[in-house]
Amino acid sequence: AQTVTQSQPEMSVQEAETVTLSCTYDTSESDYYLFWYKQPPSRQMILVIRQEAYKQQNATENRFSVNFQKAAKSFSLKISDSQLGDAAMYFCAYRTPGADKLIFGTGTRLQVFP
Amino acid sequence: NAGVTQTPKFQVLKTGQSMTLQCAQDMNHNSMYWYRQDPGMGLRLIYYSASEGTTDKGEVPNGYNVSRLNKREFSLRLESAAPSQTSVYFCASSKVRDRGLHGELFFGEGSRLTVL
Repeated sequence: AQTVTQSQPEMSVQEAETVTLSCTYDTSESDYYLFWYKQPPSRQMILVIRQEAYKQQNATENRFSVNFQKAAKSFSLKISDSQLGDAAMYFCAYRTPGADKLIFGTGTRLQVFP
Repeated sequence: NAGVTQTPKFQVLKTGQSMTLQCAQDMNHNSMYWYRQDPGMGLRLIYYSASEGTTDKGEVPNGYNVSRLNKREFSLRLESAAPSQTSVYFCASSKVRDRGLHGELFFGEGSRLTVL
């Protein structure tokens, strides 16, 4: 069965610094998608970034980038120039093409200090 | 652009009471989902519906029923609420199915349910 593991329940970073959130997953599939979702205190789930497993190039979205290591089954999220508004729960998620569901990790709570 | 709308946002129930959480999406998505979120557990899938007329169990279906009323609407029913069902519930939808589509989920704002 596919599983997603986020081993850091909490992380903290100072404003303007860089932080990396870890995610590992277990699958026997070769083709799949990976996602990072952000959940601020408002509870709304917001898609931050996505990665297709067949693409070797790491996805980037402004200050957010991923380090996708397919052989190691690792998918970490790097937040550069952290801002107070980045404080939130971050969830890593996995999906195979055509599959009807996303599998989520347990989340990492990120605190940003001024 | 409403996206995914779920109601109610908050509800307090007594043990044994029943209630239905409603969800509607206006994005013409095929698939809809109900997740529950508990501290330290992440999001766990309760039920999902890959298309109108079909429903399937997820990871934690016990104590719940669902109805895919039409393509837009997917409701979650608690027949006899228990304190263990105190949680935040999220409805979501996605296009899925077609290769090439990422299948990302679009979420509602969540419903906080407390069972006393």
